[in-house]
Amino acid sequence: DVKVTQSSRYLVKRTGEKVFLECVQDMDHENMFWYRQDPGLGLRLIYFSYDVKMKEKGDIPEGYSVSREKKERFSLILESASTNQTSMYLCASSSPSAGVRTGELFFGEGSRLTVL
Amino acid sequence: QKEVEQDPGPLSVPEGAIVSLNCTYSNSAFQYFMWYRQYSRKGPELLMYTYSSGNKEDGRFTAQVDKSSKYISLFIRDSQPSDSATYLCAMTPGGSYIPTFGRGTSLIVHP
Repeated sequence: DVKVTQSSRYLVKRTGEKVFLECVQDMDHENMFWYRQDPGLGLRLIYFSYDVKMKEKGDIPEGYSVSREKKERFSLILESASTNQTSMYLCASSSPSAGVRTGELFFGEGSRLTVL
Repeated sequence: QKEVEQDPGPLSVPEGAIVSLNCTYSNSAFQYFMWYRQYSRKGPELLMYTYSSGNKEDGRFTAQVDKSSKYISLFIRDSQPSDSATYLCAMTPGGSYIPTFGRGTSLIVHP
C-alpha cells in the first residue's frame, strides 16, 4: 500500500525557533512536494523536488528551505519560525512515469504547526 | 483571478441527496482533471481522475469535464454522512506533474 509518512502530526514551537518537518515515502517516487494549507487559501506549493539533491521553488518559498539527501526523504526547514507560518503542512509524492496519471499526488496525513 | 475557481461552501445536504460540486478554470492547456477528497485532519486522497472531456463513473461518483466551457463537476448520488469532507478539484496541462488546485468545497451530509 502506498505510504507517505510525516513524522510529526502536531508541533508547537516558539517564534525564532528552527523547525524541521520530515517526510518519507516508500513508493520509490521521484517527485516530492511540500504544501501548506490554510482556511480560505487552499493548498499552496512551497517547494518541490524531482530528484535527489534537486529542488525547485513553488509559489510561496519565502521563509522556507528544503533538503533531499535521499530519494525517499524530503525535509522542510523553517530557519526562524514566525507566527504567520502557523499552518497545516502537507507532504506529497508522485511518479513522473505514471503515464496519463501524472499529476496524481499521494499525500501524507499532514503536520499541524503552531508558532507562538 | 485564480486559474482554478471553486466555491468553498460549506454545502449542507440531507442524506440521500444528489450532490454537485464544481470548478471553473481559465487555462485552456489543462488536460488532466482530478478530484481529491480530504477528511478532517487528514491529507487529501485521489477520488477521481479524468482525461480531456467527457464523463467518468465510479460507483456513486461521476466526474464530468466540459472543456468548451472550462467547467468540471463531481456528482455524488445517494450521498452518505461518510461523504462529509472537503473536495478539492485539481488539474494539469499535458507534460506537467504539478497540479493546480482549487481551494476546496466543504461538504456536510447530515442524517
